Amino acid sequence: AQSVSQHNHHVILSEAASLELGCNYSYGGTVNLFWYVQYPGQHLQLLLKYFSGDPLVKGIKGFEAEFIKSKFSFNLRKPSVQWSDTAEYFCAVNVLGGGNKLTFGTGTQLKVEL
Amino acid sequence: NAGVTQTPKFQVLKTGQSMTLQCAQDMNHEYMSWYRQDPGMGLRLIHYSVGAGITDQGEVPNGYNVSRSTTEDFPLRLLSAAPSQTSVYFCATSGSPTQNYNEQFFGPGTRLTVL
Repeated sequence: AQSVSQHNHHVILSEAASLELGCNYSYGGTVNLFWYVQYPGQHLQLLLKYFSGDPLVKGIKGFEAEFIKSKFSFNLRKPSVQWSDTAEYFCAVNVLGGGNKLTFGTGTQLKVEL
Repeated sequence: NAGVTQTPKFQVLKTGQSMTLQCAQDMNHEYMSWYRQDPGMGLRLIHYSVGAGITDQGEVPNGYNVSRSTTEDFPLRLLSAAPSQTSVYFCATSGSPTQNYNEQFFGPGTRLTVL
């Protein structure tokens, strides 16, 4: 079975700092990759997704992620974070041919300080 | 267009009680699923359904039952609640089980506490 690892559990940044959150998955086949965000007290929302093609994908609110197949990684980046980016971020994997089931990482809690 | 709705938002149960968490969607999505979210563990799949009348187990199905009699509704039943089932429960839907790249849409969640 596939698994997803998010190495940073808690990240604290100052506004305008750059962000990179790590995500690695373990599965040898073709995968679809997702980053979801959960703002305090809210449900999960999709930030961005990768299916195929350009490994650098851009999402909402200035976020981007790069799929590096050789490293089984899909790291999330943002050049300059804002206080409003304070949230929990989840990486998720869907195995091609495995239906719509998502396997989530354990999440990274990001706090952006003014 | 309400999207994915869940009721109740909050619930407190005593050990051994039963209850049903409701999930409804008005997007005509075929795929529906239930996840539980626990601190430090991310979201884990409980049960899912690829269409009316079809359900299957996810990663953590024990203690939960589901049924799918209509496209719109996918209730999650706890037959005999245990403290280990204290969690936040999310329902999610997506368009087609064959189009597995579709975005999943999440409901607002139900926060359940079992004493």
